[in-house]
Amino acid sequence: GAGVSQSPSNKVTEKGKDVELRCDPISGHTALYWYRQSLGQGLEFLIYFQGNSAPDKSGLPSDRFSAERTGGSVSTLTIQRTQQEDSAVYLCASSSRAAGETQYFGPGTRLLVL
Amino acid sequence: SQELEQSPQSLIVQEGKNLTINCTSSKTLYGLYWYKQKYGEGLIFLMMLQKGGEEKSHEKITAKLDEKKQQSSLHITASQPSHAGIYLCGADIFGNQFYFGTGTSLTVIP
Repeated sequence: GAGVSQSPSNKVTEKGKDVELRCDPISGHTALYWYRQSLGQGLEFLIYFQGNSAPDKSGLPSDRFSAERTGGSVSTLTIQRTQQEDSAVYLCASSSRAAGETQYFGPGTRLLVL
Repeated sequence: SQELEQSPQSLIVQEGKNLTINCTSSKTLYGLYWYKQKYGEGLIFLMMLQKGGEEKSHEKITAKLDEKKQQSSLHITASQPSHAGIYLCGADIFGNQFYFGTGTSLTVIP
């Protein structure tokens, strides 16, 4: 069975470059979440999509971060002008009411900004 | 400040011993989730608790949400090396926004 997938699994970039991280949620899941886990810290909520509603962007750390969810399925997290402090593992999760709102996580994208 | 505090931060136990991990919030929890992260792998959902006093078990792992819904404990009975990893609690505190604890790193010595 297909779970949540993320790509790339690893990304190394130079400071100042833009990066795009992709998340494919479980088919039929209406909710999609992005989180960030920095070294030595707990998971940090970034953004939440629910169906066709306006996303909850309250967790985005700066205006360099943005996310889209096209067609209610695939989501892309974009980080512009990356900084070294953006280095972290970026995790995506999806959920649905039918699944009791349990969040299923992808394997994450490990981002390293040099 | 952390919305969810986990304790202990790390735990080293001998195989076969029991252990408990705690997750505490200063606010009412609307849903409390326990996850496990094995080194180098993604998060694995363990269980979810919603009602005060609720207790769930899966194999040798039991989790409970206290009556006031502000603390949860995860108890592992007769620990095994396969239990090693980072245990994370997560909770819905302010509606749709989700918070995670800082994690507890568990090492089980054979």
